[in-house]
Amino acid sequence: GNSVTQMEGPVTLSEEAFLTINCTYTATGYPSLFWYVQYPGEGLQLLLKATKADDKGSNKGFEATYRKETTSFHLEKGSVQVSDSAVYFCARTRDSWGKLQFGAGTQVVVTP
Amino acid sequence: EPEVTQTPSHQVTQMGQEVILRCVPISNHLYFYWYRQILGQKVEFLVSFYNNEISEKSEIFDDQFSVERPDGSNFTLKIRSTKLEDSAMYFCASSEGSTSVRNEQFFGPGTRLTVL
Repeated sequence: GNSVTQMEGPVTLSEEAFLTINCTYTATGYPSLFWYVQYPGEGLQLLLKATKADDKGSNKGFEATYRKETTSFHLEKGSVQVSDSAVYFCARTRDSWGKLQFGAGTQVVVTP
Repeated sequence: EPEVTQTPSHQVTQMGQEVILRCVPISNHLYFYWYRQILGQKVEFLVSFYNNEISEKSEIFDDQFSVERPDGSNFTLKIRSTKLEDSAMYFCASSEGSTSVRNEQFFGPGTRLTVL
């Protein structure tokens, strides 16, 4: 089964709208959780991470909280900009380190 | 800021040819990885490498693939006899350590491999 499941895109928003991208993970081991972002034509950049339950990762106005009870790591941003248009990948490690298991990615399009 | 670099940025090859994709991980990192992303699809793990040996590999990483750290800086992925389905973006990544404090993987910009 899928280790990481995230909502399908594309998600189209107007500038300054609130963004949520849902991500759930399989509850095996003690994973660290990550959000990576891929801007058009570029590679993967780490956006934020959380390593244990109730940790909150944050960066560039994005936040995600490691929720063990719901096995979720939803990404949120309160006011998106056109420059946030990208594909966002939720990922986990199986344990504290090791291979990353990625979700399918969610394309976000922010219009002016 | 230190970064992972990859060369070439784009490689075009004929089916059946050998290709070598090169990566220079961040200098104090100890764990190295290759991933691939077929166009429009998810990022897939290929192989991880630590202490000069493969620590884990996926079912994609068959006998046609090999990795090497030939010197103190480069980390290479070789595909011996390329197939059409090997066409993808190949990402190299590295991380500093194995604890949850230092486990984030930093990715290179990728090499786009096109097999004709």
